[in-house]
Amino acid sequence: EAGVTQFPSHSVIEKGQTVTLRCDPISGHDNLYWYRRVMGKEIKFLLHFVKESKQDESGMPNNRFLAERTGGTYSTLKVQPAELEDSGVYFCASSQSHGGKLFFGSGTQLSVL
Amino acid sequence: AQKITQTQPGMFVQEKEAVTLDCTYDTSDPSYGLFWYKQPSSGEMIFLIYQGSYDQQNATEGRYSLNFQKARKSANLVISASQLGDSAMYFCAMRVEPHGQNFVFGPGTRLSVLP
Repeated sequence: EAGVTQFPSHSVIEKGQTVTLRCDPISGHDNLYWYRRVMGKEIKFLLHFVKESKQDESGMPNNRFLAERTGGTYSTLKVQPAELEDSGVYFCASSQSHGGKLFFGSGTQLSVL
Repeated sequence: AQKITQTQPGMFVQEKEAVTLDCTYDTSDPSYGLFWYKQPSSGEMIFLIYQGSYDQQNATEGRYSLNFQKARKSANLVISASQLGDSAMYFCAMRVEPHGQNFVFGPGTRLSVLP
C-alpha cells in the first residue's frame, strides 16, 4: 500500500514567487493534515481537511497560504507570495476517520531566498 | 492550551544499550493520546508507539516501550538494545480528543547511536 506522498521533495524559490506543494494521502483516508517545521522549531499544525472540507484551519499563518482539497483526494498548499520566514519543512499527514495514528509524508523542504 | 516538552535536544547512546527519551505534556483534557514519531535523515515521519490516556498498561511495540506516568504527565520513550539505525530525530506528540485531530508536537530529541 502506498504511503503519504508529497511533491516536490525540495523547492527553492525567490522571495515574492509562488510555490504549490502537493500531498497525496493514503487511499481511503478522509483526514488530511498539513504541518510545518521552520528553522528547528516545533512542528506546527496548519490545517485539517475532512474529505474536501476544511475542518480546522486555525494554524494557517496568514492569507498568503491557501490550501485546497478538491474532490477529497489530494491536497495542495499554495504560498503566494512567498516570504523568507516561510522557509521550512512542510509535512502532510493522513489518517482514517476514527484512527489515532497519523501517517506522514516525507515532507517538502521549502527554501525562500 | 496543550503543550509538549522534550528537554533533551540531543542524546547519545552506545549500540545495544537502552535509552530513554523524555517527554512531558500539559493538558487539562482528561482524554488524550500520546504518540512518538521517528524522523530519520531521509525526512519521513515514522509512527512508533501510541498511549491512550485511559490505557491501564504501558504501550509496547517491539523494542519500543512507553513509560506512561499520568500523575507526572510524562510519556517517556524507552528504546531497548539500540541499533545504529535508531539514530534519528524523535518527536513526542499529543492529540486531544474529542476537540479535533490536530496534533501538538514537542521540539524533538536527536538521538545518536554510537558503534
